[in-house]
Amino acid sequence: EPEVTQTPSHQVTQMGQEVILRCVPISNHLYFYWYRQILGQKVEFLVSFYNNEISEKSEIFDDQFSVERPDGSNFTLKIRSTKLEDSAMYFCASSEFGPSGANVLTFGAGSRLTVL
Amino acid sequence: SQQGEEDPQALSIQEGENATMNCSYKTSINNLQWYRQNSGRGLVHLILIRSNEREKHSGRLRVTLDTSKKSSSLLITASRAADTASYFCVNTGGFKTIFGAGTRLFVKA
Repeated sequence: EPEVTQTPSHQVTQMGQEVILRCVPISNHLYFYWYRQILGQKVEFLVSFYNNEISEKSEIFDDQFSVERPDGSNFTLKIRSTKLEDSAMYFCASSEFGPSGANVLTFGAGSRLTVL
Repeated sequence: SQQGEEDPQALSIQEGENATMNCSYKTSINNLQWYRQNSGRGLVHLILIRSNEREKHSGRLRVTLDTSKKSSSLLITASRAADTASYFCVNTGGFKTIFGAGTRLFVKA
C-alpha cells in the first residue's frame, strides 16, 4: 500500500538553528499538508499546499515557517530559527482529491523535532 | 470552523464490548471522516461518509450521520485491545482540516 514517507524520524537541534523536515507524498496525490503535535496535545494544522502554492495556513505558521515542493516528489517544511516551543512531532499528509471531493488524508509516521 | 467535537473525551471498556463515540460539527459538510491515532503516531483514516449517506459500515466499524442534528457516531463492535487509540471526526470540506481533541478509547484485555 502506498505510504507517505518522512525524514528524519527524529532530529535534535539547538535553539536558533534552521531545520528542514522532508516528506515524500504518495505519487499521484496533489494536495499536501503539514501538521504538528506537541507532546500530549492536539494535532494542529499548519499549512496546506496545492498547485505549488499555499492554500491555507494557520496562525501558527508564521514567517519562521516555509514550505516548498523543490522537485516532483519531495515536500519540505523549513523552520528558519527554531525555538524551544517548536519541539513537537511534525506530520506530513497528502490527499489525491481536494476539499470538493473525497479528500482522504494519508499521514506519514512523523518527524520528532527536539529543540534544546 | 470545520473542526468536529468528539464525545466522550475518554472511554474505557472491556475487550469484546462495543464502543460508541459521538461527534458534533458546526458547518455544513461535503463529507465527514473518522481517523484513529495510536499514541504518538500518525493518524490513520478509518471511514468516510458523504453528506447524502446516513449509515456506512467497514468491518467492525459502523458510522452514522444525521445532518439535521450535525452529528455523527462511530461504533466499534467486539472491541479488541488493539483498538486502544484516540479517535477523531473531521469535516473535510476545505483546505484546512482541523482535528479536535478526540475520544481516547482504552480497551482492557
